[in-house]
Amino acid sequence: EAQVTQNPRYLITVTGKKLTVTCSQNMNHEYMSWYRQDPGLGLRQIYYSMNVEVTDKGDVPEGYKVSRKEKRNFPLILESPSPNQTSLYFCASSSHWGAGEDEQYFGPGTRLTVT
Amino acid sequence: GQNIDQPTEMTATEGAIVQINCTYQTSGFNGLFWYQQHAGEAPTFLSYNVLDGLEEKGRFSSFLSRSKGYSYLLLKELQMKDSASYLCAVSPNTGGFKTIFGAGTRLFVKA
Repeated sequence: EAQVTQNPRYLITVTGKKLTVTCSQNMNHEYMSWYRQDPGLGLRQIYYSMNVEVTDKGDVPEGYKVSRKEKRNFPLILESPSPNQTSLYFCASSSHWGAGEDEQYFGPGTRLTVT
Repeated sequence: GQNIDQPTEMTATEGAIVQINCTYQTSGFNGLFWYQQHAGEAPTFLSYNVLDGLEEKGRFSSFLSRSKGYSYLLLKELQMKDSASYLCAVSPNTGGFKTIFGAGTRLFVKA
């Protein structure tokens, strides 16, 4: 089954404790992206990747890091989480971009709480 | 700046037609998307417009006017399961894999 998976689905952590949210897709997609979703603000793009070893900042990259060492995986790293990073996080992937119906496939989401 | 506006909430009756509007101001334009998101779930793709006009997909249609920076999603024969948030998103012509989402419109379908 074609899918995007994220782990963990739920996480409660404390300020300053490094964490990684994993994202994996089995569709051989080149394009991957991380979003956070907050009430009233909608989805905001954190980072995206257009291929292995190619990443770039979205609109809200501060406090986050990403890596793309393999095509299928795109982990999101919070080196020193703070309470304002409490949010619902989605990973998404797409097979191509800027060339037609480039829909994004979203993972199930990771609900992160930082106390 | 880049901005996408859509109404926060709408209510409609089962069997009726509802139109959800979206206006956008972005640095260039490379396509507009509509996604559906049920509470607690991931967004799922509904439609894509890059040229002016109406795209129809069963009960759902989406319209685009690039000169006006305007789109709408039309849902016909509303069903209770259509109660969800509808997200308007634009791919600006800034290169990369950038996508800008509106805050979403929460649609309530009542019997």
